[in-house]
Amino acid sequence: EVQLVESGGGLVQPGGSLRLSCVASGFTFSSYGMNWVRQAPGKGLEWLSYISSSSGTKHYADPVKGRFTISRDNAKNSLYLQMNSLTDEDTALYYCARDYSYTYDVWGQGIMVTVSS
Amino acid sequence: QSALTQPASVSGSPGQSITISCTGTSSDVGSYNLVSWYQQHPGEAPKFIIYEGTKRPSGVSNRFSGSKSGNTASLTISGLQAEDEADYYCCSYAGGGNCVFGGGTKLTVL
Repeated sequence: EVQLVESGGGLVQPGGSLRLSCVASGFTFSSYGMNWVRQAPGKGLEWLSYISSSSGTKHYADPVKGRFTISRDNAKNSLYLQMNSLTDEDTALYYCARDYSYTYDVWGQGIMVTVSS
Repeated sequence: QSALTQPASVSGSPGQSITISCTGTSSDVGSYNLVSWYQQHPGEAPKFIIYEGTKRPSGVSNRFSGSKSGNTASLTISGLQAEDEADYYCCSYAGGGNCVFGGGTKLTVL
């Protein structure tokens, strides 16, 4: 079964950092680009970042550029998102999603990040 | 990059057809045949139902169809069923690795 499982979320103070992980199974992880997408409570979806299969290409949405870093470890079938300088506007459910022709064809269940003092 | 424009809500009765529009610009929807659509039921992760504007992945009902004209993409659901009640999001590639989502549309099946 193709599956993505996120972890690493939780409560963090404004200005703090958090590292999200996403473990893939059921497909050849190293063959696919991967993305992070988030959804603030009661709000819509927002694409955050993309990384190519070999990590040679990375893209970021403007709201997170310079604060978030996407990375992957193909040997561990894992995707990461390092989040720094967090603000309350970063409070959201964070999804990892597999890339297929700029479509997100497989999604994790999401992990909640709450930024609050 | 501004979000694509979708109606906040649409509704229809079982068996009817509805269409959800997704309006962008010549920099996103108008420039690429890379619009995708997602269905999200409450408390669940999104599920992709249309990719590359008009293509339907295996396992998705042929009641769902996508189209595009100029800067506007559309999702049509025919033969509306109760289980179609969900939020629907469009997303268009906008260059530079960016994919811009619409604000989402809540579909109510009356």
